[in-house]
Amino acid sequence: GESVGLHLPTLSVQEGDNSIINCAYSNSASDYFIWYKQESGKGPQFIIDIRSNMDKRQGQRVTVLLNKTVKHLSLQIAATQPGDSAVYFCAENIMSNTGKLIFGQGTTLQVKP
Amino acid sequence: NAGVMQNPRHLVRRRGQEARLRCSPMKGHSHVYWYRQLPEEGLKFMVYLQKENIIDESGMPKERFSAEFPKEGPSILRIQQVVRGDSAAYFCASSPRQGTWSTEAFFGQGTRLTVV
Repeated sequence: GESVGLHLPTLSVQEGDNSIINCAYSNSASDYFIWYKQESGKGPQFIIDIRSNMDKRQGQRVTVLLNKTVKHLSLQIAATQPGDSAVYFCAENIMSNTGKLIFGQGTTLQVKP
Repeated sequence: NAGVMQNPRHLVRRRGQEARLRCSPMKGHSHVYWYRQLPEEGLKFMVYLQKENIIDESGMPKERFSAEFPKEGPSILRIQQVVRGDSAAYFCASSPRQGTWSTEAFFGQGTRLTVV
């Protein structure tokens, strides 16, 4: 399954499938990006990050891709599990700035058993 | 080492009252960021503080909102004369250094403010 972030705020996938969550970031000067997972009633939880001098980074079951040309970020989750159901936010940062993160609107991921 | 502690978790205030939200950063963290989250929206930056200093308050409304992070004790976000539009979840995050996120910065569980 694939979403376009702001335009498709909910992504529904079958357990075991791969998920792709997309994000269009706003500032071409941003040089650091993070994906967060937020479960209902909880604070954001760090998933994976990437600096602007990279275009891909892999973690455990997750991969982040960065395309600076079109200011696009994606999060790929392999073998999606019910525990992955949450809202996913991308956030951008300009490291030379005060360090504050600017969050996108978020995508809800629903995993069907 | 306890995580970032926010209290209260839920706060109900009548219009015109004051709301005080507390954030105790992780041990060893001297940088605190406050964010507001409206229902079905992302987190919006409000203010960034270091001990006894406000570094960036570009996201704070001009009136009724203030924040502090004293030398001793938690960071406080204060909202005076609350209105219904202030109803939201307020999150703080702490980090050991400016601009450090990744696995070193953590968010609290948030305070959910409801104005009735």
